[in-house]
Amino acid sequence: DQQVKQNSPSLSVQEGRISILNCDYTNSMFDYFLWYKKYPAEGPTFLISISSIKDKNEDGRFTVFLNKSAKHLSLHIVPSQPGDSAVYFCAASARDDKIIFGKGTRLHILP
Amino acid sequence: GAGVSQTPSNKVTEKGKYVELRCDPISGHTALYWYRQSLGQGPEFLIYFQGTGAADDSGLPNDRFFAVRPEGSVSTLKIQRTERGDSAVYLCASSLTGGQGPGELFFGEGSRLTVL
Repeated sequence: DQQVKQNSPSLSVQEGRISILNCDYTNSMFDYFLWYKKYPAEGPTFLISISSIKDKNEDGRFTVFLNKSAKHLSLHIVPSQPGDSAVYFCAASARDDKIIFGKGTRLHILP
Repeated sequence: GAGVSQTPSNKVTEKGKYVELRCDPISGHTALYWYRQSLGQGPEFLIYFQGTGAADDSGLPNDRFFAVRPEGSVSTLKIQRTERGDSAVYLCASSLTGGQGPGELFFGEGSRLTVL
């Protein structure tokens, strides 16, 4: 039972445009959400997070939006750069519990 | 060390053998996690330590898998009677806080296990 779902296995975006990665979750107890980025042969690295008390968190080119009623969050990257090409994992946790990851979305930034 | 260190980086073994994978977390991080990542999948939770004790081991697939963290720092994931389906990248992560909030997981580069 996938509690965190990333339904798009891959996404291609032109350099300079906006990349939007989507994530849905099923567990209403989740109250903390994270995005991780992973390059080949490396471990995932933390990108940005959001608490359920917020609906938006911004950090430079990265913004995460949370829609609790729809159990949906998205990561916006603008402008997209070649170095953003990677696999992006959405993750979530309930208070003091383990962090559950989605299957990931591979982002390709096209020159 | 500066980051989470995992050894070995690659391990090839035969079906039925015993394997140990080691994780050295960031100094001072009290929480330590083990995840397993198969091809095309996201990291799958295995076990989480808070200090020396396993706070949640609900992700361990069966009793062939066991993990320890005797002194609250280095952890070892042990797999007995390995099967071909155990082949995956085993990721270790540590964090400063017990779970989430402002803290996040810092991952090692993983140990790639191949069972022939």
